[in-house]
Amino acid sequence: DQQVKQNSPSLSVQEGRISILNCDYTNSMFDYFLWYKKYPAEGPTFLISISSIKDKNEDGRFTVFLNKSAKHLSLHIVPSQPGDSAVYFCAASVGYGGSQGNLIFGKGTKLSVKP
Amino acid sequence: NAGVTQTPKFRVLKTGQSMTLLCAQDMNHEYMYWYRQDPGMGLRLIHYSVGEGTTAKGEVPDGYNVSRLKKQNFLLGLESAAPSQTSVYFCASSRDSKLNQPQHFGDGTRLSIL
Repeated sequence: DQQVKQNSPSLSVQEGRISILNCDYTNSMFDYFLWYKKYPAEGPTFLISISSIKDKNEDGRFTVFLNKSAKHLSLHIVPSQPGDSAVYFCAASVGYGGSQGNLIFGKGTKLSVKP
Repeated sequence: NAGVTQTPKFRVLKTGQSMTLLCAQDMNHEYMYWYRQDPGMGLRLIHYSVGEGTTAKGEVPDGYNVSRLKKQNFLLGLESAAPSQTSVYFCASSRDSKLNQPQHFGDGTRLSIL
């Protein structure tokens, strides 16, 4: 049973427009959420995170929104650039690290940003 | 600025063979992890370590063993490789559990078991 779900395997957007990647989770004990970006033949790279005490976190063009009641988070990229084309993984954990903080990953969404 | 380095990058094994995947990090991180990623799947945790000399099981530990004899190295062993272990293996490390420390990943080892 998947605890972290990314229901859209792929997303295509035009350069300059907004990209919205979605993630749902089932475990109400999750209290820390992360987004990773992965290019082909490379390891995932940390992008942005949010703790359950917040509902929004921004870092430049990237914003993550958390809706705890709906068990839903989303990653907004504005404006989208061709270099953003990658697979984006949503991950969640209970606690902040170590044995309590093991990450549960979604299956990923492949974002394609067209020039 | 190496970060997390995985060796080898590619390997083909025959069923029943053994091998060890090496992960090295130069960031003085306490925590290290081994994941596998299969097509259309997210990363799944195999084993992890919260410090030198410690190891613990993750979500999919069967068929694998690990060792953390030195803080900077985390080894993943396959004693008798099976085709179901064909996958891309990622190692990661993180500083500690006191703060929200994201995991830093290596570039992966692509392993094929024939």
